Amino acid sequence: DADVTQTPRNRITKTGKRIMLECSQTKGHDRMYWYRQDPGLGLRLIYYSFDVKDINKGEISDGYSVSRQAQAKFSLSLESAIPNQTALYFCATSDPSPRTGYNEQFFGPGTRLTVL
Amino acid sequence: DQQVKQNSPSLSVQEGRISILNCDYTNSMFDYFLWYKKYPAEGPTFLISISSIKDKNEDGRFTVFLNKSAKHLSLHIVPSQPGDSAVYFCAAENNNNDMRFGAGTRLTVKP
Repeated sequence: DADVTQTPRNRITKTGKRIMLECSQTKGHDRMYWYRQDPGLGLRLIYYSFDVKDINKGEISDGYSVSRQAQAKFSLSLESAIPNQTALYFCATSDPSPRTGYNEQFFGPGTRLTVL
Repeated sequence: DQQVKQNSPSLSVQEGRISILNCDYTNSMFDYFLWYKKYPAEGPTFLISISSIKDKNEDGRFTVFLNKSAKHLSLHIVPSQPGDSAVYFCAAENNNNDMRFGAGTRLTVKP
């Protein structure tokens, strides 16, 4: 079974609709992240959470919100979807390495979202 | 403002030869660097990393080189294999665990 799962894997929606993307992990990590990938821009951080009571904005949080329902669950919402939010969305988890103190993130398989 | 740049969107090499993927960064506060590999329809997976206190880290066929003065790192794959064909992302992290990714380089290894 995958350690980091995302649902749905693909979604087509219309402008103005509310969309929720869900992420679950079985790695027991405290830290969870949401990224979007666009051609030529790589992965950009939307929101991240270092524990259940901690939510932080990333580089491109406008138009998005998140909820950390439990250590294992981190959901991303688009309150009113717009076409330029069409992208590939990745959830990731990490815990600081006891050896280096830095993070090696583990990614889910991605959700392809199309906003018409 | 892209703080991590991969200026080559694609690279094609012959099986058995060396693949060299390059990455530049602008923020001197980054002190940990990672390479991720991504296959189609999958999420990125961690490949290799290097701390700023080192200039080289090797893991099997993969070696990462870091030139701090030039703010440049590279990933060498020797020998390249067809299964190495993927998109490679460079990432840089500071001690606040703020991680930034490059745009990726698509490597194609031809049999």
